[in-house]
Amino acid sequence: AQSVTQLDSHVSVSEGTPVLLRCNYSSSYSPSLFWYVQHPNKGLQLLLKYTSAATLVKGINGFEAEFKKSETSFHLTKPSAHMSDAAEYFCVVSDGGFTGGGNKLTFGTGTQLKVEL
Amino acid sequence: GAGVSQSPSNKVTEKGKDVELRCDPISGHTALYWYRQRLGQGLEFLIYFQGNSAPDKSGLPSDRFSAERTGESVSTLTIQRTQQEDSAVYLCASSLGGQGSYEQYFGPGTRLTVT
Repeated sequence: AQSVTQLDSHVSVSEGTPVLLRCNYSSSYSPSLFWYVQHPNKGLQLLLKYTSAATLVKGINGFEAEFKKSETSFHLTKPSAHMSDAAEYFCVVSDGGFTGGGNKLTFGTGTQLKVEL
Repeated sequence: GAGVSQSPSNKVTEKGKDVELRCDPISGHTALYWYRQRLGQGLEFLIYFQGNSAPDKSGLPSDRFSAERTGESVSTLTIQRTQQEDSAVYLCASSLGGQGSYEQYFGPGTRLTVT
C-alpha cells in the first residue's frame, strides 16, 4: 500500500521569500514521486518527478524537490516565490506500475499556497 | 497538439438519475485513468485501462460506477442512481503507457453536482 501525507493544508509566503511545501510518503515499493500543481479553473500540471535517478529533482518554474529515503520525505521548495505561484500543490506517490495495475497515482490532500505582496 | 478533453464540463443532476461522463485521451496514449476529486481532498483513483487488457477496477467505490473504453480511444464513466456523495470533480488522465516513467496528462475535469 502507498500513501502520502502533506503536512500543511495552507501555506502563506511573501513574494520573493522561499517556499517550502512538505510531503511524507509510504510505499511498499521503490516509489516514483511527483508534485502536481492545480491553478484555479485549470487542469493539473506536472511540476516535477522522481523516478530513482538523482535525488534532487528540478522542475518547471524554478521548483525543486529532494528525495530523502531515510526521512521518507519529498519536500517541494523554491528560493523565491512569485505571485503566479499561488495555487494548490499535490504530492503524489506511485509504485511505478510494477504491481501490474498501471501507474496508479495516490494523491495527498493538497497544500494551498498563498503568495502575498 | 490537443490535450485530454472531457465533457461535459459541468453536470447537475437529480439524486437517483444516471449520468455519463466522457473522456477523449491524447491520440496514441494507450493508458487511461479516471480519478475523483471531492471538495478539499486529493484525487482518488477509480479505474485504469491499458490497451486491450482487462481494466483495473479496484478503485470504483460501488457497483453503481462503471466505465468503458473503446480500443485506445474514448472512455465513458457511468454513474447509476446518483447519490449526493457522488458530487465531485471527475478527472481523466492518459499516458503513453502504464509504467511510472510515463507522465499522466490530465483533462480539465467534469464537475458533477447531485441535488
